[in-house]
Amino acid sequence: SQQGEEDPQALSIQEGENATMNCSYKTSINNLQWYRQNSGRGLVHLILIRSNEREKHSGRLRVTLDTSKKSSSLLITASRAADTASYFCATVLDSSYKLIFGSGTRLLVRP
Amino acid sequence: DTEVTQTPKHLVMGMTNKKSLKCEQHMGHRAMYWYKQKAKKPPELMFVYSYEKLSINESVPSRFSPECPNSSLLNLHLHALQPEDSALYLCASSPRLGLGTDTQYFGPGTRLTVL
Repeated sequence: SQQGEEDPQALSIQEGENATMNCSYKTSINNLQWYRQNSGRGLVHLILIRSNEREKHSGRLRVTLDTSKKSSSLLITASRAADTASYFCATVLDSSYKLIFGSGTRLLVRP
Repeated sequence: DTEVTQTPKHLVMGMTNKKSLKCEQHMGHRAMYWYKQKAKKPPELMFVYSYEKLSINESVPSRFSPECPNSSLLNLHLHALQPEDSALYLCASSPRLGLGTDTQYFGPGTRLTVL
C-alpha cells in the first residue's frame, strides 16, 4: 500500500534551474528517505532524514521535513541533464521496519 | 563491494514455465528484500528475509516462491505466472532489519515478461 503522494507527478526544467519535489504522507514515521531511479533501473538511495530533523543537505540536494504537516520536500539545485530520473520518497513507519514508497516524481532536465 | 547484482537482466517466459530470479550481495547485509514494480508506479514490497529466514510475506500469490540459501543469495522461483505478473523485479539489501534507519541498496532489477 502507498503511504505517500508526491507532487508534481512530472516536472520538466532547463539545465541549471532548481527542481523541487514534494512528498506527503499519512501516518507517524521513524524516518523519511529519498531515492532516485533511472529509467527501468534499480533505485539509488539519496538521503535519509530522521523524524527529529528538519533539514538535511547532501551536495546539491536539500531535504526538509515537516512532521506537523506530514510532508517533505527535495530540492535539487543547479540541475544537470544527468539528474533526469524518477524520484521517490519512502517512509519507515514508527511501528514497522518496512519501506513504503510514495508515488514518485518524474524529472526531466532539458540540456 | 557495495553492489547488489541480479540475474538475468531480462526474462521472457510462458505461463507454464518455471524460472528463477537470482540476487546476490557481498556487503554482509543480513536483510534482503524482493520488490515488484509496474511501469510508472513505485516499488511494492513482496518479501523480506532477515538472517536467512522469511520475515515478511506481503500476501504474495504462491506462484512466487522466495528462497534464501545463504546470507549472500536470494532467489525468487516463478511458476505458472500470469501476464499481469510482468514487471520489473527488484532485489534490495540492508545491514539488518528492525532499526528503521538503515537504507536499502537496490540491484538493477530483472525485467520479466510473461506471455
